[in-house]
Amino acid sequence: DAGVIQSPRHEVTEMGQEVTLRCKPISGHDYLFWYRQTMMRGLELLIYFNNNVPIDDSGMPEDRFSAKMPNASFSTLKIQPSEPRDSAVYFCASCPAGLRGEQYFGPGTRLTVT
Amino acid sequence: GENVEQHPSTLSVQEGDSAVIKCTYSDSASNYFPWYKQELGKRPQLIIDIRSNVGEKKDQRIAVTLNKTAKHFSLHITETQPEDSAVYFCAALEYGNKLVFGAGTILRVKS
Repeated sequence: DAGVIQSPRHEVTEMGQEVTLRCKPISGHDYLFWYRQTMMRGLELLIYFNNNVPIDDSGMPEDRFSAKMPNASFSTLKIQPSEPRDSAVYFCASCPAGLRGEQYFGPGTRLTVT
Repeated sequence: GENVEQHPSTLSVQEGDSAVIKCTYSDSASNYFPWYKQELGKRPQLIIDIRSNVGEKKDQRIAVTLNKTAKHFSLHITETQPEDSAVYFCAALEYGNKLVFGAGTILRVKS
Protein backbone atom coordinates (compact mmCIF):
# COMPACT_ATOMS: atom_id res chain seq x y z
CA ASP A 1 0.00 0.00 0.00
CA ALA A 2 1.31 3.44 -0.93
CA GLY A 3 0.04 5.09 2.22
CA VAL A 4 -1.61 8.50 2.32
CA ILE A 5 -0.47 10.67 -0.56
CA GLN A 6 -0.34 14.46 -0.44
CA SER A 7 0.54 17.05 -3.03
CA PRO A 8 2.28 19.33 -3.40
CA ARG A 9 4.96 18.63 -0.79
CA HIS A 10 6.01 22.26 -0.70
CA GLU A 11 4.09 25.35 -1.71
CA VAL A 12 5.29 28.93 -1.67
CA THR A 13 2.76 31.57 -2.59
CA GLU A 14 2.11 35.25 -2.16
CA MET A 15 -0.44 36.69 0.18
CA GLY A 16 -3.86 36.90 -1.45
CA GLN A 17 -3.36 33.93 -3.75
CA GLU A 18 -5.51 30.81 -3.72
CA VAL A 19 -3.87 27.63 -2.46
CA THR A 20 -5.16 24.11 -3.01
CA LEU A 21 -3.76 21.13 -1.14
CA ARG A 22 -4.58 17.60 -2.23
CA CYS A 23 -4.86 14.27 -0.47
CA LYS A 24 -5.42 10.66 -1.47
CA PRO A 25 -6.27 8.47 1.53
CA ILE A 26 -5.33 4.82 1.96
CA SER A 27 -7.67 2.66 -0.09
CA GLY A 28 -10.51 1.29 2.00
CA HIS A 29 -10.20 3.88 4.74
CA ASP A 30 -13.53 5.53 5.47
CA TYR A 31 -12.28 8.52 7.45
CA LEU A 32 -10.14 11.41 6.25
CA PHE A 33 -8.72 14.16 8.43
CA TRP A 34 -7.01 17.48 7.70
CA TYR A 35 -4.58 18.83 10.31
CA ARG A 36 -2.43 21.92 10.56
CA GLN A 37 0.85 21.90 12.50
CA THR A 38 2.72 24.95 13.75
CA MET A 39 5.25 25.46 16.51
CA MET A 40 2.88 27.75 18.39
CA ARG A 41 -0.33 25.74 18.16
CA GLY A 42 0.88 22.17 17.70
CA LEU A 43 -1.30 19.72 15.78
CA GLU A 44 -4.78 21.10 15.15
CA LEU A 45 -7.62 19.18 13.56
CA LEU A 46 -9.27 21.33 10.91
CA ILE A 47 -11.98 19.04 9.53
CA TYR A 48 -12.76 15.37 9.07
CA PHE A 49 -14.90 13.34 6.71
CA ASN A 50 -16.63 9.98 7.02
CA ASN A 51 -17.59 8.28 3.75
CA ASN A 52 -16.95 11.57 1.92
CA VAL A 53 -19.30 13.55 4.18
CA PRO A 54 -17.89 16.34 6.39
CA ILE A 55 -18.57 15.41 10.02
CA ASP A 56 -16.84 18.10 12.05
CA ASP A 57 -15.44 21.33 10.64
CA SER A 58 -15.24 23.19 13.94
CA GLY A 59 -11.48 23.48 13.58
CA MET A 60 -11.57 25.37 10.30
CA PRO A 61 -10.20 28.75 11.31
CA GLU A 62 -12.06 31.06 8.96
CA ASP A 63 -14.28 31.21 5.93
CA ARG A 64 -11.13 31.48 3.87
CA PHE A 65 -10.65 27.76 4.45
CA SER A 66 -12.77 25.15 2.71
CA ALA A 67 -12.47 21.40 2.19
CA LYS A 68 -14.14 18.92 -0.11
CA MET A 69 -14.13 15.21 -0.64
CA PRO A 70 -15.80 14.47 -3.98
CA ASN A 71 -15.06 10.76 -3.81
CA ALA A 72 -13.48 8.13 -1.57
CA SER A 73 -10.00 8.58 -3.00
CA PHE A 74 -9.56 12.34 -3.14
CA SER A 75 -9.87 15.40 -0.94
CA THR A 76 -8.84 19.03 -1.22
CA LEU A 77 -8.19 21.78 1.28
CA LYS A 78 -8.42 25.25 -0.19
CA ILE A 79 -7.34 28.59 1.25
CA GLN A 80 -8.62 31.68 -0.51
CA PRO A 81 -7.21 34.26 -0.05
CA SER A 82 -4.07 33.05 1.68
CA GLU A 83 -2.35 35.06 4.44
CA PRO A 84 1.14 34.83 5.99
CA ARG A 85 -0.35 33.39 9.20
CA ASP A 86 -1.54 30.38 7.20
CA SER A 87 2.09 29.27 6.85
CA ALA A 88 2.29 25.81 8.41
CA VAL A 89 2.59 22.13 7.59
CA TYR A 90 -0.75 20.65 6.57
CA PHE A 91 -1.22 16.95 7.11
CA CYS A 92 -3.88 14.66 5.78
CA ALA A 93 -4.61 11.41 7.64
CA SER A 94 -6.93 8.49 7.07
CA CYS A 95 -8.42 5.80 9.28
CA PRO A 96 -10.30 2.55 8.65
CA ALA A 97 -13.86 2.38 9.95
CA GLY A 98 -13.23 -0.77 11.94
CA LEU A 99 -10.32 0.69 13.91
CA ARG A 100 -11.56 3.96 15.33
CA GLY A 101 -8.73 6.31 16.15
CA GLU A 102 -5.95 4.50 14.28
CA GLN A 103 -4.97 7.33 11.98
CA TYR A 104 -2.21 7.19 9.37
CA PHE A 105 -0.66 10.45 8.29
CA GLY A 106 0.51 11.59 4.89
CA PRO A 107 3.91 13.26 4.38
CA GLY A 108 2.42 16.73 4.71
CA THR A 109 2.48 19.91 2.63
CA ARG A 110 4.73 22.70 3.86
CA LEU A 111 2.96 25.94 2.97
CA THR A 112 4.76 29.27 3.03
CA VAL A 113 2.77 32.44 2.36
CA THR A 114 4.90 35.52 1.82
CA GLY B 1 -14.55 18.52 25.04
CA GLU B 2 -11.50 16.40 25.66
CA ASN B 3 -8.30 18.04 26.93
CA VAL B 4 -4.93 16.25 26.89
CA GLU B 5 -1.93 17.46 28.85
CA GLN B 6 1.53 16.04 28.21
CA HIS B 7 4.69 16.19 30.33
CA PRO B 8 7.53 16.86 30.14
CA SER B 9 7.85 19.18 27.16
CA THR B 10 11.51 18.18 26.72
CA LEU B 11 13.41 15.16 27.96
CA SER B 12 17.10 14.36 27.67
CA VAL B 13 18.40 10.92 28.51
CA GLN B 14 21.66 9.07 28.11
CA GLU B 15 21.74 6.29 25.55
CA GLY B 16 20.68 3.06 27.21
CA ASP B 17 18.59 4.74 29.89
CA SER B 18 14.80 4.65 30.05
CA ALA B 19 12.45 7.48 29.11
CA VAL B 20 8.94 8.06 30.41
CA ILE B 21 6.39 10.51 29.02
CA LYS B 22 3.10 11.09 30.81
CA CYS B 23 -0.29 12.32 29.64
CA THR B 24 -3.53 13.11 31.40
CA TYR B 25 -6.96 13.42 29.80
CA SER B 26 -10.22 14.92 30.97
CA ASP B 27 -13.05 12.94 29.36
CA SER B 28 -13.73 9.68 31.17
CA ALA B 29 -15.58 8.42 28.06
CA SER B 30 -12.35 8.35 26.02
CA ASN B 31 -11.35 4.76 25.31
CA TYR B 32 -8.46 4.84 22.85
CA PHE B 33 -5.01 6.33 23.43
CA PRO B 34 -2.37 6.29 20.69
CA TRP B 35 1.21 7.52 20.73
CA TYR B 36 2.85 9.09 17.68
CA LYS B 37 6.52 9.67 16.95
CA GLN B 38 7.52 12.52 14.67
CA GLU B 39 11.07 12.90 13.42
CA LEU B 40 12.25 16.26 12.17
CA GLY B 41 10.58 17.15 8.90
CA LYS B 42 8.60 13.91 8.80
CA ARG B 43 5.02 12.84 9.38
CA PRO B 44 3.67 11.68 12.77
CA GLN B 45 3.80 7.89 12.86
CA LEU B 46 1.72 5.66 15.10
CA ILE B 47 4.09 3.65 17.28
CA ILE B 48 1.82 2.08 19.88
CA ASP B 49 -1.72 2.43 21.17
CA ILE B 50 -3.91 1.15 23.97
CA ARG B 51 -7.63 0.72 24.33
CA SER B 52 -9.38 1.10 27.65
CA ASN B 53 -10.03 -2.60 28.21
CA VAL B 54 -6.33 -3.21 28.95
CA GLY B 55 -3.92 -1.64 31.42
CA GLU B 56 -0.62 -2.20 29.65
CA LYS B 57 0.69 -3.02 26.21
CA LYS B 58 4.27 -3.75 25.13
CA ASP B 59 6.03 -3.82 21.80
CA GLN B 60 9.75 -4.60 22.08
CA ARG B 61 11.36 -1.59 23.83
CA ILE B 62 8.14 0.43 23.96
CA ALA B 63 5.29 0.07 26.43
CA VAL B 64 2.19 2.07 27.26
CA THR B 65 0.31 1.96 30.54
CA LEU B 66 -3.19 3.24 31.22
CA ASN B 67 -4.85 4.17 34.49
CA LYS B 68 -8.51 4.88 33.72
CA THR B 69 -9.38 5.77 37.29
CA ALA B 70 -6.76 8.50 37.42
CA LYS B 71 -7.23 9.34 33.73
CA HIS B 72 -3.59 9.16 32.81
CA PHE B 73 -1.44 7.10 30.49
CA SER B 74 2.29 6.88 29.93
CA LEU B 75 4.82 5.89 27.29
CA HIS B 76 7.89 3.97 28.43
CA ILE B 77 10.93 3.51 26.23
CA THR B 78 13.66 1.22 27.56
CA GLU B 79 17.28 0.97 26.40
CA THR B 80 17.00 4.22 24.48
CA GLN B 81 18.97 4.64 21.28
CA PRO B 82 19.93 7.77 19.33
CA GLU B 83 17.29 6.93 16.71
CA ASP B 84 14.62 7.31 19.41
CA SER B 85 15.29 11.07 19.36
CA ALA B 86 12.12 12.70 18.06
CA VAL B 87 8.96 14.48 19.17
CA TYR B 88 6.41 12.18 20.79
CA PHE B 89 2.69 13.00 20.90
CA CYS B 90 0.04 11.35 22.99
CA ALA B 91 -3.62 11.55 22.03
CA ALA B 92 -7.06 10.58 23.26
CA LEU B 93 -10.04 9.65 21.11
CA GLU B 94 -12.97 11.98 21.56
CA TYR B 95 -16.54 11.48 20.36
CA GLY B 96 -16.96 10.38 16.79
CA ASN B 97 -13.49 9.62 15.52
CA LYS B 98 -11.63 12.72 16.62
CA LEU B 99 -8.17 12.56 18.21
CA VAL B 100 -7.14 15.28 20.66
CA PHE B 101 -3.36 15.56 20.80
CA GLY B 102 -1.03 16.57 23.59
CA ALA B 103 1.48 19.37 22.97
CA GLY B 104 4.35 16.96 22.38
CA THR B 105 7.59 15.95 24.11
CA ILE B 106 10.98 16.50 22.52
CA LEU B 107 13.11 13.48 23.41
CA ARG B 108 16.87 13.74 23.01
CA VAL B 109 18.98 10.63 23.45
CA LYS B 110 22.59 11.53 24.06
CA SER B 111 25.23 9.07 22.95
